[in-house]
Order: sequence, then C-alpha cells, then structure tokens
Amino acid sequence: AQSVTQLDSHVSVSEGTPVLLRCNYSSSYSPSLFWYVQHPNKGLQLLLKYTSAATLVKGINGFEAEFKKSETSFHLTKPSAHMSDAAEYFCVVIIPGDTGRRALTFGSGTRLQVQP
Amino acid sequence: DAGVIQSPRHEVTEMGQEVTLRCKPISGHDYLFWYRQTMMRGLELLIYFNNNVPIDDSGMPEDRFSAKMPNASFSTLKIQPSEPRDSAVYFCASSKQENIQYFGAGTRLSVL
Repeated sequence: AQSVTQLDSHVSVSEGTPVLLRCNYSSSYSPSLFWYVQHPNKGLQLLLKYTSAATLVKGINGFEAEFKKSETSFHLTKPSAHMSDAAEYFCVVIIPGDTGRRALTFGSGTRLQVQP
Repeated sequence: DAGVIQSPRHEVTEMGQEVTLRCKPISGHDYLFWYRQTMMRGLELLIYFNNNVPIDDSGMPEDRFSAKMPNASFSTLKIQPSEPRDSAVYFCASSKQENIQYFGAGTRLSVL
C-alpha cells in the first residue's frame, strides 16, 4: 500500500523568507513523486517531479524538492517566498506501472499564506 | 496545445436535475482522470480511463454518477439525479502513460 502525508495543513511565512512544505510517503515500490500547486479557483499545475533520476529536483517558480529515501520524504522548498506563491500545494505519489486507484495518491494539501 | 479543456466552468442546477460535465483531454494522452474536490474531503479520484476504457471506477460515489469516454478526445461525467451534496469542483486531467497529469480548470457545480 502507498500513502502520502502532508504534515502541515497551513503554513504562513513572510515575503522574502524561506518556504518549507513537508511531505512524507510510504510505498513498497520505487515511487514517482510530484508537487502540484493550486491557486484560488484554478486547476492544479505541476511544480516538479521526481522519477528516480537526480534526488534534488528543480521546478518552476524557484521551487525545488529533495527526495530522501532514508527519511521517506519529499519536502518542497523555496529560498524566498513571493506573494504570488500563496496557494494550496499537493504532494502526490504514483507507482509506475501499477494499475488501479492505489496507483494515484494525493496528499491532503498544505495551504501556504505569504504575509507582506 | 490548449491543455485540458473542461466545460462548463460553472454550473448551477436544482436538486433532481441531470448534470453533464465535459472534458477534452490533451491530444495524444492515453489516460483521463475525473476528480472531485470539496473542503471536507479534499481531492478524490472518481474514475480513470486508459485508451477510452474505464480502468478503475471505485471512487465513483454511487450509481447516480456515470462517466463515459466515447473517443480519445472527449469524456463526460454525468450525475442523475443531482443532489446538494454533489456540489463541488470537478476536475478532469489527462496524462501520457499514467505519468504527469495535466489538469483542466475545473467545473464548479452548485446543486440547490
């Protein structure tokens, strides 16, 4: 079985300070991991993905995430928050080649607030 | 490519009415997913198709919900009859070989 846990439902930071959104996963197989962002009243947009290549993955808008197998984590970071980063962020795990709904698992989401 | 296109963007209907949501996936993608998002339950996978064939519909809440994919460029999600608790944002997504999913802008459904 696989699961994704986003440890914080809400994170609030000041503009210009670092962002850390935490994600832990459990999987019996080598997973593919993704971060998606959803701005208010918008669909989900892919930020970055990890698919067993480099463990440090760079995404759009200055975000990056590091896959740490020993910690089963895939935390999302950004050195300096911008007001436009305020949104909800979803961590997703997919088992390549698996079929059935078990193969697609979304975290519960983390709402990021950026204070001026 | 224009991305995944969903219509309508907003739907307001009365309880008991039939609702049909539409989705056009990205050309060349062989997987199509329907999701529902609510405050209470977050993002839920309802059903997904591979090459127009439903693979897993275990997320469909009840028999009032049905989904079809008559061809590679079109899918519908139908609710008949609709109920107030069906009010949510419904997303369609498509992908190539069940990898990165690209989402549409969603349909916001309100059932009064």
